[in-house]
Amino acid sequence: AAGVIQSPRHLIKEKRETATLKCYPIPRHDTVYWYQQGPGQDPQFLISFYEKMQSDKGSIPDRFSAQQFSDYHSELNMSSLELGDSALYFCASSLGTSNSPLHFGNGTRLTVT
Amino acid sequence: AQSVAQPEDQVNVAEGNPLTVKCTYSVSGNPYLFWYVQYPNRGLQFLLKYITGDNLVKGSYGFEAEFNKSQTSFHLKKPSALVSDSALYFCAVRDEYSSASKIIFGSGTRLSIRP
Repeated sequence: AAGVIQSPRHLIKEKRETATLKCYPIPRHDTVYWYQQGPGQDPQFLISFYEKMQSDKGSIPDRFSAQQFSDYHSELNMSSLELGDSALYFCASSLGTSNSPLHFGNGTRLTVT
Repeated sequence: AQSVAQPEDQVNVAEGNPLTVKCTYSVSGNPYLFWYVQYPNRGLQFLLKYITGDNLVKGSYGFEAEFNKSQTSFHLKKPSALVSDSALYFCAVRDEYSSASKIIFGSGTRLSIRP
């Protein structure tokens, strides 16, 4: 079965650079979520989109922005990167129903040096 | 407010023995409860969920979980552990009125199965 696809798998950037992470949800899933997971921590919710509109906002820094496109893929844009942004970034998708589980991609490991 | 607690950072079990990973929760309404498993450098993988109905929920890879409303618990269980079950397990909860993005994850329990 098709899963959530994230690219790239690994990304190394320097401080103050920008990064763009991409997410392709499971076909027919209309909701996309972005999470950040630091070492040894549980995933922290950043932002979500439903039918290409932002549906919820979590602990996303102002330096980050995201959008969902007409083909339902989503991109997380990160600017003025800081060392503390180094983490695993997960995208998840689900159907719009309230009790659907989230299906996660394998993540992008961002390292800021 | 909603919260979820996994009281054990690590659980060690011998292969073939039963395993239990504990989870307790707090929500203002009826809970939607989930278990996820995470292997190294991989995303969280959905195992099972409780929404309503039978208190015993069966999921992937032989795992099951029991919803206990009076104890506000949703412990993950498996009758006979495999070495390949070794991974990080997350319990998650949200109340029935919250959007899916309001799901709260526990701090995770590392399950280690020794041969």
